[in-house]
Amino acid sequence: GIQVEQSPPDLILQEGANSTLRCNFSDSVNNLQWFHQNPWGQLINLFYIPSGTKQNGRLSATTVATERYSLLYISSSQTTDSGVYFCAALPRDDKIIFGKGTRLHILP
Amino acid sequence: KAGVTQTPRYLIKTRGQQVTLSCSPISGHRSVSWYQQTPGQGLQFLFEYFSETQRNKGNFPGRFSGRQFSNSRSEMNVSTLELGDSALYLCASSLAQGPVNSPLHFGNGTRLTVT
Repeated sequence: GIQVEQSPPDLILQEGANSTLRCNFSDSVNNLQWFHQNPWGQLINLFYIPSGTKQNGRLSATTVATERYSLLYISSSQTTDSGVYFCAALPRDDKIIFGKGTRLHILP
Repeated sequence: KAGVTQTPRYLIKTRGQQVTLSCSPISGHRSVSWYQQTPGQGLQFLFEYFSETQRNKGNFPGRFSGRQFSNSRSEMNVSTLELGDSALYLCASSLAQGPVNSPLHFGNGTRLTVT
């Protein structure tokens, strides 16, 4: 089945820094979503992005489906950005596959 | 609009018992899907229901089952619990059938501990 790999696995940054998280997928996908899981376990949908670029405040995402990757950009990081970021790929059989996540820790 | 509601938040069960988890989707959402999250395996898809019908199923044994009611609320059942079933169980709802067609919105989860 499709493989979804996220990098880096862990990231520690100072407040105010920018970061780029990457999600690679091994086969064609029909869609891709990014989520943030906060320290209390709540998963929040950040982007629904099968292709192209979307922006939401300090966050933006780009998916290049033909090259099988997606990027999540976080600018001017805040401590509330801490948590785990997951990408989830939707292959043709629609059985969603999650990456193992990038754990982000923003230091005050 | 109220978000996705999962009950209970925490459960402790003994091996061999069975458990039922409940999920109420966002009003108007007709698709409900279930996921298991463990430190070892990460987030894994269990199954998806749309209009009271199971539309898709992940690679889990038959001990894991679910159903959806006419008001879109869903329940998930695990029978003959094993220690390895200890996990955070997450439910998500979406407007259209299948996460390929619309964003997923997750509940806070039910943390199940099997002793």
